[in-house]
Amino acid sequence: SQELEQSPQSLIVQEGKNLTINCTSSKTLYGLYWYKQKYGEGLIFLMMLQKGGEEKSHEKITAKLDEKKQQSSLHITASQPSHAGIYLCGADKGTSGTYKYIFGTGTRLKVLA
Amino acid sequence: DGGITQSPKYLFRKEGQNVTLSCEQNLNHDAMYWYRQDPGQGLRLIYYSQIVNDFQKGDIAEGYSVSREKKESFPLTVTSAQKNPTAFYLCASSILAGGTSSTDTQYFGPGTRLTVL
Repeated sequence: SQELEQSPQSLIVQEGKNLTINCTSSKTLYGLYWYKQKYGEGLIFLMMLQKGGEEKSHEKITAKLDEKKQQSSLHITASQPSHAGIYLCGADKGTSGTYKYIFGTGTRLKVLA
Repeated sequence: DGGITQSPKYLFRKEGQNVTLSCEQNLNHDAMYWYRQDPGQGLRLIYYSQIVNDFQKGDIAEGYSVSREKKESFPLTVTSAQKNPTAFYLCASSILAGGTSSTDTQYFGPGTRLTVL
């Protein structure tokens, strides 16, 4: 079955450093969602990408979807302690039926002040 | 403020008890979802509902039940048949289910942590 693989599983960076999280699928994706979760809380929607080569930014976070629509990266510039949390990718598989989504297992980010 | 609320934030259940988790949204979304999140695992779908009075089983529906009598509300009951219910439960909603990636974007509530004593 199709899965979303996230890497790395966890990441510790010094405040001010840049970092990248990846989300990879073995099959073409029809939509790619990025969420952030603080421990013990719900998921906050960050961005959705649909087109191959698409790139979106929100504050210091930039997400890209590759041309083949099988890999997405989330890049944080000049990380801050407020960026700490779990980042999850979710995807629209584009299959038939009303439920067609998969989620990655998350990347846990810690930012050291 | 539009959003999704879940209550309670923490819930404790004794063996053999049924408990109901509340999920309410005022986003006017048609679709609603229940997920279970366990440490080190991704989200697993329990049930989802495309529209009022209709719902579909997800991957791990056994031991759970839902109802969708109102558009705004999608309560989840964890029954005594669920053998390992201790987990973090997340409710989500989207404009539609089975539409475009844009209309299907899911927005999540703050979650309920259920612990079996």
